[in-house]
Amino acid sequence: GQQVMQIPQYQHVQEGEDFTTYCNSSTTLSNIQWYKQRPGGHPVFLIQLVKSGEVKKQKRLTFQFGEAKKNSSLHITATQTTDVGTYFCAGPVIKAAGNKLTFGGGTRVLVKP
Amino acid sequence: ETGVTQTPRHLVMGMTNKKSLKCEQHLGHNAMYWYKQSAKKPLELMFVYNFKEQTENNSVPSRFSPECPNSSHLFLHLHTLQPEDSALYLCASSQVRVMNTEAFFGQGTRLTVV
Repeated sequence: GQQVMQIPQYQHVQEGEDFTTYCNSSTTLSNIQWYKQRPGGHPVFLIQLVKSGEVKKQKRLTFQFGEAKKNSSLHITATQTTDVGTYFCAGPVIKAAGNKLTFGGGTRVLVKP
Repeated sequence: ETGVTQTPRHLVMGMTNKKSLKCEQHLGHNAMYWYKQSAKKPLELMFVYNFKEQTENNSVPSRFSPECPNSSHLFLHLHTLQPEDSALYLCASSQVRVMNTEAFFGQGTRLTVV
């Protein structure tokens, strides 16, 4: 079945620095979604990428979908303490019986002030 | 504010108890999901319901029994659980189309089995 992998599993970042987290799928994706889960919270949808090579920005967050639609990245510039949390990517599995989302293992981001 | 409501938020149960988790979505979605979140497997899909029909059972032990009486409600019935079943149980919903739309999660039920 489809597998979605994320690296790194943990990311310790100094406040103000940039970092990137990566998502890789074993199969080609129709689209990819990113979610953020704050400590003690639940996953919240951030963005969806659909087109090959697509790049979308949300303030200091830049999301990219790979040309082959099998990988994606999230780049955060000038990290702030509000960026703390776990970032998940998810790829849909579309089947005749019904759709589902397969999540990666997440990248847990810790920010050092 | 989430359109998916889960109750209870916290649950402590003994291994011989029977309890149920409830999820309700107010978004008009046609698909609902149960996920288990633990340190070992951050977001593990358990069950999927599309249009009230179960379309996925991800090799979940029979001590977990889902029920979807209508497209707005989803239950997870629990019986004779093990301590390793302690985890955060998340319910989610989405509107299934050709291009899948995003999932909306409830706040979860923190389950502790003693």
